[in-house]
Amino acid sequence: GAGVSQSPSNKVTEKGKDVELRCDPISGHTALYWYRQSLGQGLEFLIYFQGNSAPDKSGLPSDRFSAERTGGSVSTLTIQRTQQEDSAVYLCASSPKANTEAFFGQGTRLTVV
Amino acid sequence: GENVEQHPSTLSVQEGDSAVIKCTYSDSASNYFPWYKQELGKRPQLIIDIRSNVGEKKDQRIAVTLNKTAKHFSLHITETQPEDSAVYFCAAPHTGGFKTIFGAGTRLFVKA
Repeated sequence: GAGVSQSPSNKVTEKGKDVELRCDPISGHTALYWYRQSLGQGLEFLIYFQGNSAPDKSGLPSDRFSAERTGGSVSTLTIQRTQQEDSAVYLCASSPKANTEAFFGQGTRLTVV
Repeated sequence: GENVEQHPSTLSVQEGDSAVIKCTYSDSASNYFPWYKQELGKRPQLIIDIRSNVGEKKDQRIAVTLNKTAKHFSLHITETQPEDSAVYFCAAPHTGGFKTIFGAGTRLFVKA
């Protein structure tokens, strides 16, 4: 079946613009994660959705970052007033439930110029 | 706090030798410990995982050991091959066993 799909694959934006990153998880997966990976670095936790529970937003670096998950499926990560330090690969992952294998999307490479 | 410490950050071994990567975690409620491999330019993929009710799990050349008392777990790769060269991440759930926090990663080089 289809894996986790992210769009766009690449995004170049001007400093100060808003961007939206999309994640389509594997159908039926209740857990969805967003991570940020800077070049050559680790996976920085951003936000976690589990079913209909309130999301864990503790990893969002500033109030310019927000995310939502509609209908327990597709998720959108929004970054407002982008800054150069926001440049990174944004990875989405989904799991059948908490504490099971996470399946990652191919990521969105965001470049802020 | 929520923290997963991973060592070493870089590891270079000769083909055929063993490689060991270690992680410690802070949340005593953590009960699921996966390891992911990320090849250059690719997405992370699960290679092995272990739950807290066992102390060791093996899958061919890869094994993971868990010490819940000390809150650390390790990845062991035996008979390393050049295709094992990648970045390896450990992970553990935090905050009551939900959000997954990753270690900083270990870049493994296997020299032919």
